[in-house]
Amino acid sequence: DAGVIQSPRHEVTEMGQEVTLRCKPISGHNSLFWYRQTMMRGLELLIYFNNNVPIDDSGMPEDRFSAKMPNASFSTLKIQPSEPRDSAVYFCASSLRTGGSYGYTFGSGTRLTVV
Amino acid sequence: GENVEQHPSTLSVQEGDSAVIKCTYSDSASNYFPWYKQELGKRPQLIIDIRSNVGEKKDQRIAVTLNKTAKHFSLHITETQPEDSAVYFCAAKPINAGNMLTFGGGTRLMVKP
Repeated sequence: DAGVIQSPRHEVTEMGQEVTLRCKPISGHNSLFWYRQTMMRGLELLIYFNNNVPIDDSGMPEDRFSAKMPNASFSTLKIQPSEPRDSAVYFCASSLRTGGSYGYTFGSGTRLTVV
Repeated sequence: GENVEQHPSTLSVQEGDSAVIKCTYSDSASNYFPWYKQELGKRPQLIIDIRSNVGEKKDQRIAVTLNKTAKHFSLHITETQPEDSAVYFCAAKPINAGNMLTFGGGTRLMVKP
């Protein structure tokens, strides 16, 4: 299994531009999570999908952020318009409960820089 | 909701010494407690986990202990090596939270050769 695949690995964009981050979860995993990581705030949960349905989006900072999961093998996180304070590493993770364990597998992350 | 606090935020040890990282959680219904290691510039990776019906679990040089009464759990690393240097995150999962984990703030462990 290739694990959780995120693209792009790095993104540099100008303030005001639209940014789309992509994630392919592990096949068969039924939960998908988007996290943002910064030095100041650590790992922040943005949104959580279960069986492609958004369950908890209370971590989405504001209306500029949106996430979709059109099918079990693909999710996107969009920022429009982007701002310098959105600069961070964005991780996607997927999980499946097996034998009482719920361990996440994280993707390699997308390092976003908004200038 | 669940709240997980992690201490210390940074920890420096000499190679060969032991390191202990502690976490407390607020929801007594939490039943799953994983630990993740994140090396610089890389993704967090699961290193060990424990369920609420177990008090201790060991895997080579790492072990996790759980005290449900006190609502805290700890990661123990023995005979530390420079490659153990990383940020470690604890997490907890309430029984009614689906697959969603609540993470602690992380501990930066530095192992000095």
